[in-house]
Amino acid sequence: GAGVSQSPRYKVAKRGQDVALRCDPISGHVSLFWYQQALGQGPEFLTYFQNEAQLDKSGLPSDRFFAERPEGSVSTLKIQRTQQEDSAVYLCASSQRFLNTEAFFGQGTRLTVV
Amino acid sequence: SQQGEEDPQALSIQEGENATMNCSYKTSINNLQWYRQNSGRGLVHLILIRSNEREKHSGRLRVTLDTSKKSSSLLITASRAADTASYFCATDAFYNQGGKLIFGQGTELSVKP
Repeated sequence: GAGVSQSPRYKVAKRGQDVALRCDPISGHVSLFWYQQALGQGPEFLTYFQNEAQLDKSGLPSDRFFAERPEGSVSTLKIQRTQQEDSAVYLCASSQRFLNTEAFFGQGTRLTVV
Repeated sequence: SQQGEEDPQALSIQEGENATMNCSYKTSINNLQWYRQNSGRGLVHLILIRSNEREKHSGRLRVTLDTSKKSSSLLITASRAADTASYFCATDAFYNQGGKLIFGQGTELSVKP
């Protein structure tokens, strides 16, 4: 595809529900990132993949958050037992290399936990 | 936690005027990048400046980097209403592996026609 694609664009979950957010990066991009953006704030790093390897998950806020990229392409961010503080926009980005390169962002998934 | 601090938080100007946004950061970096975000949309990359560069231009954008002061500025010349957006600086810290970005809080720019 032409850009990074994320689905769904919007998700409303009841507190305690599990959700799965999908990211299709640009074909051939080695690096994939997930960020969380609260309203009125800058994005905050969650986790990073180089191909299928998850090299950095230091930003995941709790063990309820889990990300995978099993074949080095599509990635899924899963949040178990959602809580209200998980409400945010989740952004996925990919880049061609892993140093001194721009990141291409998807439109994001807006998660609202009610 | 966010590394960058941006100043001002909000800026309102008339079309045709120049807009300057500043960013400060805390650690040594590989590069610093600026992104634009329109309301409800994803981020769009504007420009990347490496740690050994001092100034870079791209169209109406001019970015400076002062690593001794750990600061950067983004200048948009001859602004247009379409430039209305939030602007974020993001640093790729020297100790990182893989290009993870640390974003500032952003500057909300409003350009009035």
